[in-house]
Formats: sequence, C-alpha cells, structure tokens
Amino acid sequence: GAGVSQSPSNKVTEKGKDVELRCDPISGHTALYWYRQSLGQGLEFLIYFQGNSAPDKSGLPSDRFSAERTGGSVSTLTIQRTQQEDSAVYLCASSLVLGNNEQFFGPGTRLTVL
Amino acid sequence: AQSVTQLDSHVSVSEGTPVLLRCNYSSSYSPSLFWYVQHPNKGLQLLLKYTSAATLVKGINGFEAEFKKSETSFHLTKPSAHMSDAAEYFCVVNSGYSTLTFGKGTMLLVSP
Repeated sequence: GAGVSQSPSNKVTEKGKDVELRCDPISGHTALYWYRQSLGQGLEFLIYFQGNSAPDKSGLPSDRFSAERTGGSVSTLTIQRTQQEDSAVYLCASSLVLGNNEQFFGPGTRLTVL
Repeated sequence: AQSVTQLDSHVSVSEGTPVLLRCNYSSSYSPSLFWYVQHPNKGLQLLLKYTSAATLVKGINGFEAEFKKSETSFHLTKPSAHMSDAAEYFCVVNSGYSTLTFGKGTMLLVSP
C-alpha cells in the first residue's frame, strides 16, 4: 500500500478482555515501531522490530503487552487482560532500515477500555 | 541518552503573523532531528528533518527550522501562519538508536 495502515481504527473493550492491534507497514520497510500516545504521557516508544526480531522489549509497559511480526511485514500488538490505563492511541510506524531514517506513521488505533 | 524539551505547550498566533515553536534537545551523539505535525484525528506527518547537512532546513507548507549546535536548539518557524496550520507539533530526536524520542508537543492555535 501507499502508507502504513492500522486496524481497527477504533476499539472499545471491557476491562479484562484481550485485544489485538494490527499494523501493515510500507512494503519493503524492514523496521517497524510501536508507540503509545495518551493524554498526559505524550508519545512513548513501546517496541521495535528489525525484520521479525524484537531485540529490546523493555519499552513495553507490562507483561500483559506483547508484539510479534511475521514474514517481515505485518505486526500485531496484543494486550491481555486490558486495564483502563491502557486506553490510548496506539501508533505504528515503519522505516526503510533501522536507525536514523524517517519513520512513516500510520493513523493509529484508538483503544478505549471501559 | 537523548531527550527533547518543547518549551511551550501552547502557542497562539493570529493568521498572517509569524510562528515560532521552540525545541531544545540533548544527545550523546550527533543527532538527527525532526519536526512532525499531527492534525486532529490524523496521523503524524513529517514536516522536516535535519541529518547533518545544511543547518537551515526547509520543510513542507512553508515551515523551516535551524539546527544550532551551540544552543542545542532546533526551533520551528514560519513567516506567516494559516488557519490550516492549527495542529499539534512534535520535535523529535534520534541519536542513532533505533527509536525516536518525542517532545511533549506544542499545540499551535491560529485565530482569524
């Protein structure tokens, strides 16, 4: 596709449920990133992938969060047993290679946990 | 370590007047610096980037920024604001690590 796409655009869930957020990066981009944007916290980095590998998971807020990437393309961010503080916009970005290159952002998934 | 400080959370200007959004950074290495814009309910869009070439960087929509190493600043300017410029602006630093560090954002308000 022309840009980074994310689905769903909006997700409302009940506390305690699991959710899966999907990111389709720009074709050919080897690096993929997940960020979270919430009121009062700004934009925080969660995790990056180089190919299918995520060498550093320390940015994930808790062990309820996990992410995977398959085939060097699509990535899913999974939040288990959602809590109200997980409510935020989750942004995905991709870049041609890891490092200083420009990151292209998707429109985000707005997650609301009731 | 790298960090970004956007000195103003909100900036208000009148249409047709100059815009100045201030950003200071700290970085252990020679950084790449970016300004992104986010319009309401839209994704982040790159305005401009500095990657150790010319210190005065021109971006889209008439915006430009000047990298000043001595002041560790990368302020964003535009000579004449338009109503369509109203949005949130993020200053971002990348010091060669795999991630971007975002400032807290500056909301630009443009009045007629």
